[in-house]
Amino acid sequence: KQEVTQIPAALSVPEGENLVLNCSFTDSAIYNLQWFRQDPGKGLTSLLLIQSSQREQTSGRLNASLDKSSGRSTLYIAASQPGDSATYLCAVPTGANSKLTFGKGITLSVRP
Amino acid sequence: DADVTQTPRNRITKTGKRIMLECSQTKGHDRMYWYRQDPGLGLRLIYYSFDVKDINKGEISDGYSVSRQAQAKFSLSLESAIPNQTALYFCATSTSGTGRTGELFFGEGSRLTVL
Repeated sequence: KQEVTQIPAALSVPEGENLVLNCSFTDSAIYNLQWFRQDPGKGLTSLLLIQSSQREQTSGRLNASLDKSSGRSTLYIAASQPGDSATYLCAVPTGANSKLTFGKGITLSVRP
Repeated sequence: DADVTQTPRNRITKTGKRIMLECSQTKGHDRMYWYRQDPGLGLRLIYYSFDVKDINKGEISDGYSVSRQAQAKFSLSLESAIPNQTALYFCATSTSGTGRTGELFFGEGSRLTVL
């Protein structure tokens, strides 16, 4: 059974800091990995989708990497801003029907 | 307008009542999903549908039923609501190709409180 882990559960950083959010998964037989952002009480917004054939995807100040062999993905946020404060979740497709397994997320707080 | 729309956004009901949450999408995706989110438990899949005639149970389907009325519409019903079904419910859609799940898009959520 696929397990997706995101540690730590919460993180607080000062504005301007570059930071890395980690995601690990137990079954490396995945074909993509997706990062989401969730604001309190809101839906999830897709940030980046990385195919297994890619090692990185970039969108603005965000960069996501994928290392299937080690079962890890990282989301790099450059020059963090208070508006980046949210919960960040990763998810991988699992099983014959490719249903997504989600991590529980990392709640990021960026202090002004 | 949102690509994935859920109604109602908030609902308070009493134990034993029947509740329907509706989802419609304008993305043209075949795949639709219903999740619930609870603090500390993360997102859990209730039901999913890969097309109008293909509906499947997720990990926590007991107490729920669904209907895929059209490619763009997927509704979730609680036949007899109970307090532990109080949660934030999300509808999602995704692309598909050669059996794979592509990018997932979520609605804004429906907050359900069962008293």
